[in-house]
Amino acid sequence: DAGVTQSPTHLIKTRGQQVTLRCSPKSGHDTVSWYQQALGQGPQFIFQYYEEEERQRGNFPDRFSGHQFPNYSSELNVNALLLGDSALYLCASRSAGHLPYGYTFGSGTRLTVV
Amino acid sequence: DQQVKQNSPSLSVQEGRISILNCDYTNSMFDYFLWYKKYPAEGPTFLISISSIKDKNEDGRFTVFLNKSAKHLSLHIVPSQPGDSAVYFCAASVGYSGAGSYQLTFGKGTKLSVIP
Repeated sequence: DAGVTQSPTHLIKTRGQQVTLRCSPKSGHDTVSWYQQALGQGPQFIFQYYEEEERQRGNFPDRFSGHQFPNYSSELNVNALLLGDSALYLCASRSAGHLPYGYTFGSGTRLTVV
Repeated sequence: DQQVKQNSPSLSVQEGRISILNCDYTNSMFDYFLWYKKYPAEGPTFLISISSIKDKNEDGRFTVFLNKSAKHLSLHIVPSQPGDSAVYFCAASVGYSGAGSYQLTFGKGTKLSVIP
């Protein structure tokens, strides 16, 4: 049973560019959340998607946007990249009916902005 | 403002001894508390959880204690094994409030090293 799959695993972008990260949730899961983990920090909540809509959002600017597709997969888009956007981006999925310990995390996409 | 705090960035313990990882929180609305374990180049893996109506939850070598009045929880690992060496994150979530609930608020993590 495949878990959460994220692509790409590593990415290098130039300041000012745009990036799209992708996530396929675990089979049976319909809710996808995105987290940003900066070096030496814990993961920080960006937003959560359910039924193709953004349901909750953390304290991130509008440069961060997302999308969820009918097959529950999701994309995270970041525009006008800043050096401070360099981080590990984690996708987590769960089934909407499950309590918070139902989250499964992917291995993440390491984004470096130069 | 950091709502979940792990004040010890690292902890070293001898194999076979007890490891105690601590976590403090400030938001009294948190209903669920979770511990995640993270190895390098992998995503966090769920370890154990506790809801706010309990004060202890046990799963094999892992026990989580919750002291609501002190807004403090701890994870005990007994006995510690070298394979337990990883970064441990404390996380918390508010209870259900409709679609999109249960976002996790994480601490900064504690790196546990179990010495053979």
